[in-house]
Amino acid sequence: QVQLVQSGAEVKKPGASVKVSCKASGYTFTGYYMHWVRQAPGQGLEWMGWINPNSGGTNYAQKFQGRVTMTRDTSISTAYMELSRLRSDDTAVYYCARDWSGIAVAGVSYYFDYWGQGTLVTVSS
Amino acid sequence: DIQMTQSPSTLSASVGDRVTITCRASQSISSWLAWYQQKPGKAPKLLIYDASSLESGVPSRFSGSGSGTEFTLTISSLQPDDFATYYCQQYNSYPFTFGPGTKVDIK
Repeated sequence: QVQLVQSGAEVKKPGASVKVSCKASGYTFTGYYMHWVRQAPGQGLEWMGWINPNSGGTNYAQKFQGRVTMTRDTSISTAYMELSRLRSDDTAVYYCARDWSGIAVAGVSYYFDYWGQGTLVTVSS
Repeated sequence: DIQMTQSPSTLSASVGDRVTITCRASQSISSWLAWYQQKPGKAPKLLIYDASSLESGVPSRFSGSGSGTEFTLTISSLQPDDFATYYCQQYNSYPFTFGPGTKVDIK
């Protein structure tokens, strides 16, 4: 069965960076885009960007351009999201989410069928 | 960016009720809309995509409709497991954006 297992909670100081991992299993990791979505406490959902695990290509929401880096290690079926220059309003649960479409079949759909369990990142001095 | 709004923000209903949630986009998004259900402390779950296509394994009491700028999610007969928050998401253009959510709670 498809599983996305994320790394554990993090506490960071303002100005620091955080790197969240998302280990995929149960499907061909390079066959599906991976997205990152975050949710501030008690708030709604915010899309951050995607990575094509096959090519390494990325697309980031403009809001995060220059601060976010999405990478992958295909040898261990793991995607990463690194956010730098953290601020207090970056405190949120960060989710990885698999794109619904397989790259070979339909390319990319931009909606998400499997999600990680979430990683709480707290930014506090 | 395309702004998504949802109404109502909170909905109180009873088991067996028919429930309708509305999602509006600030510009036309054709049928590029998905609906998700989220329970406290859990990741969202995909219910509907392309405005009206039911995701595999989702009960048929969930349905979606609409196109352009106005969309609805309907639960034909609310079940105890359906008390949750529902979000719409547009994927017509970058950045993909979500509505603020509609919380369905017990009347």
